Amino acid sequence: KQEVTQIPAALSVPEGENLVLNCSFTDSAIYNLQWFRQDPGKGLTSLLLIQSSQREQTSGRLNASLDKSSGRSTLYIAASQPGDSATYLCAVSGNQFYFGTGTSLTVIP
Amino acid sequence: ETGVTQTPRHLVMGMTNKKSLKCEQHLGHNAMYWYKQSAKKPLELMFVYSLEERVENNSVPSRFSPECPNSSHLFLHLHTLQPEDSALYLCASSQNQGAPETQYFGPGTRLLVL
Repeated sequence: KQEVTQIPAALSVPEGENLVLNCSFTDSAIYNLQWFRQDPGKGLTSLLLIQSSQREQTSGRLNASLDKSSGRSTLYIAASQPGDSATYLCAVSGNQFYFGTGTSLTVIP
Repeated sequence: ETGVTQTPRHLVMGMTNKKSLKCEQHLGHNAMYWYKQSAKKPLELMFVYSLEERVENNSVPSRFSPECPNSSHLFLHLHTLQPEDSALYLCASSQNQGAPETQYFGPGTRLLVL
């Protein structure tokens, strides 16, 4: 069964810093990898979707990379802002979506 | 309204109660999903419906009973729940059922079983 791990579980940074969130998965036979954002008590909002044939995707200050062969993805957030504070979830899709437990990010003003 | 909506947003129930969670998607999608999110655990897929047919049931206890009357609506009927069933229940939809599709999530129902 696919297992998805996210490190670190929690991260606190001062405003303006660049940061990297990590995601690893055990089975490289995936169709795509998706990063989501979840605010407290809310549902998930899709941030970036990387197809298995792609290496990276960018949206504004966010950049996600995918190395399928090593089972790793990173989410890079540039010039972090307090509004970026949330939990970030990584999900890989095989026959279904498999989620990590998330990284809880706090950006301190 | 747009996107995926869920009602109620919060629910407290006793172990002998019967209640239902409702999900509605306004995106014209053909597939809908129920997930359970417990503290410190990954999201767990519970049920998948494609074109109103159940295509996946991930060994979910029978005290959870899904219903999909049409492609826009999905229900989760609850009865004789246990305290460990307390969690955030998330509904999602996608254009079609299958791995390449991205899923759109509702805000969830926070359930507390006493």
